[in-house]
Amino acid sequence: GQNIDQPTEMTATEGAIVQINCTYQTSGFNGLFWYQQHAGEAPTFLSYNVLDGLEEKGRFSSFLSRSKGYSYLLLKELQMKDSASYLCAVREGYKLSFGAGTTVTVRA
Amino acid sequence: EAGVVQSPRYKIIEKKQPVAFWCNPISGHNTLYWYLQNLGQGPELLIRYENEEAVDDSQLPKDRFSAERLKGVDSTLKIQPAELGDSAVYLCASSLGGQLQETQYFGPGTRLLVL
Repeated sequence: GQNIDQPTEMTATEGAIVQINCTYQTSGFNGLFWYQQHAGEAPTFLSYNVLDGLEEKGRFSSFLSRSKGYSYLLLKELQMKDSASYLCAVREGYKLSFGAGTTVTVRA
Repeated sequence: EAGVVQSPRYKIIEKKQPVAFWCNPISGHNTLYWYLQNLGQGPELLIRYENEEAVDDSQLPKDRFSAERLKGVDSTLKIQPAELGDSAVYLCASSLGGQLQETQYFGPGTRLLVL
């Protein structure tokens, strides 16, 4: 089994930076995913980390430290459309286990 | 390219009634997943198919839930009889299949309300 913890809510101002942390405990590890989910919509893939380090993709970056069981998603230059839930998911074998999600609210 | 298609998008039923959800995965994706998502929670895996074979159904409550993927493409998930606690969003996802690192792509989900 896995314990995946991420903050419930975060609020930030348009144009700012927000960092969403995710910690996990797992007996096996085959990668960590971040998904974005707008209210009432499907989760959409943002990033994937399997090796330690930072993966940058436009305004979004994701970091992984396997030894610490830790990842973060960094959202830069926040826009109103970034208001959504961000889900951390850990892959163990073929199984993907999700955290409860972090609701990010971007204010003008 | 079309994404994962699910229907219906919304369903309201009375408890003890049966209900079925349908999913059409992305073309060429061999692996199909059904997830349950409660409000304020992340998706939880119910069942995973590799082609037409259910390779992981350990989290599926088999007393009332059933699923099939007869031709290895479309899939249906059924609940009979439904209970109040089954109210949730049922998500279908698909992936190419065979690779540990592959990305799962989700459909919009079916929002079920049991009265």
